[in-house]
Amino acid sequence: VQLVESGGGVVQPGGSLRLSCAASGFTFSTYGMHWVRQAPGKGLEWVAFIRYDGSNKNYADSVKGRFTISRDNSKNTLFLQMNSLTAEDTAFYYCAKYFCSTSCYYDYWGQGTLVTVSS
Amino acid sequence: DIQMSQSPSSLSASVGDRVTITCRASQNISSHLNWYQQKPGTAPKVLIYAASNLQSGVPSRFSGSGSGTDFTLTISSLQPEDFATYYCQQSYTIPQFTFGQGTKLEMK
Repeated sequence: VQLVESGGGVVQPGGSLRLSCAASGFTFSTYGMHWVRQAPGKGLEWVAFIRYDGSNKNYADSVKGRFTISRDNSKNTLFLQMNSLTAEDTAFYYCAKYFCSTSCYYDYWGQGTLVTVSS
Repeated sequence: DIQMSQSPSSLSASVGDRVTITCRASQNISSHLNWYQQKPGTAPKVLIYAASNLQSGVPSRFSGSGSGTDFTLTISSLQPEDFATYYCQQSYTIPQFTFGQGTKLEMK
């Protein structure tokens, strides 16, 4: 299993950025996927979830209305469109594969991509 | 929203020590509690899922226990590669998981 994020960088406040997560090594179209972020030196914060078929999406209150999660199962790719960015969105963004057995947890993570919001 | 709190926030220990980290949920989450280890510059890695189940490939010196609101992660004999930050995560409110604030385990 491999998850590779891309698309991070430096953006001005109020700007937009689109992150991608390329998945391989598993049947991407059968697993829900999440975005989790971590501000430098801080803890982990769940950002968004998308169901395996894209039919259900959930967002943290901190990003609702500004971020949009999506996926292209034909290309094994997960996306996060981020608009109206503020300094509080500066973080490493990880995509994570979601697995459920007796409980649900993230069994694989990408390496992360850094988003810096600064003027 | 379910809040997760870990204690201590940081911990100094020596190789060979037995270490215990505690995680408390703000409401009953049954056994829907996972533990992750994160080393600097890398993504988190799951150690324990469903409170007490060892993820494949994780050394048996790691163990988890608890249910309801109180949980513990124990490292029976600390090894040099175990110095890292540990996070608990509730997976009761699918899919809006929340994490504890983390416990940084440092070498004494």
